[in-house]
Amino acid sequence: QKEVEQNSGPLSVPEGAIASLNCTYSDRGSQSFFWYRQYSGKSPELIMSIYSNGDKEDGRFTAQLNKASQYVSLLIRDSQPSDSATYLCAVIKAAGNKLTFGGGTRVLVKP
Amino acid sequence: ETGVTQTPRHLVMGMTNKKSLKCEQHLGHNAMYWYKQSAKKPLELMFVYNFKEQTENNSVPSRFSPECPNSSHLFLHLHTLQPEDSALYLCASSQGQGYGYTFGSGTRLTVV
Repeated sequence: QKEVEQNSGPLSVPEGAIASLNCTYSDRGSQSFFWYRQYSGKSPELIMSIYSNGDKEDGRFTAQLNKASQYVSLLIRDSQPSDSATYLCAVIKAAGNKLTFGGGTRVLVKP
Repeated sequence: ETGVTQTPRHLVMGMTNKKSLKCEQHLGHNAMYWYKQSAKKPLELMFVYNFKEQTENNSVPSRFSPECPNSSHLFLHLHTLQPEDSALYLCASSQGQGYGYTFGSGTRLTVV
């Protein structure tokens, strides 16, 4: 089992709709969770971090964490063509600062 | 300069060459990292440095040799690489335990 799993996509979303991305992780002791956005040919950019169960909202982005189900998600509201990118889920285990990435979900927002 | 700076942005090298990648962070962070990103593969952690001490080597071949002279600078020395080592090499830094990383722009390496 991979440590961090994501559906590779592509996830095709009409402009203005909500994009929903999912991520599962294997280490039950994981404490820190992140979403990164990576445009083609560019480096990853941190867009959200979440540490406790529930929802965290930042602008058009909402991260959701459910530690019991070992599941973290990202919602992108009012999707724009500029949101077209690969979204990487990343997890830090209980001890240390090693960040483990999932394979990423490619999102395509169509005008 | 701000953030995490990597040089060079692009590098083409032969299998017998020796080259170095450089990373500098201007964020006051105390941890630095090297990642490799190959096509169709997840980001792979290579090395972790905390307060300039190496705390993780993720079974990286010895043809990759990291150096961290202080908490702000990180190098990756390359020698006798293979074509399969061609990838995007990313440097990152963080405040430490539990914090997200800030990535540099990366070095696109091609081994010929």
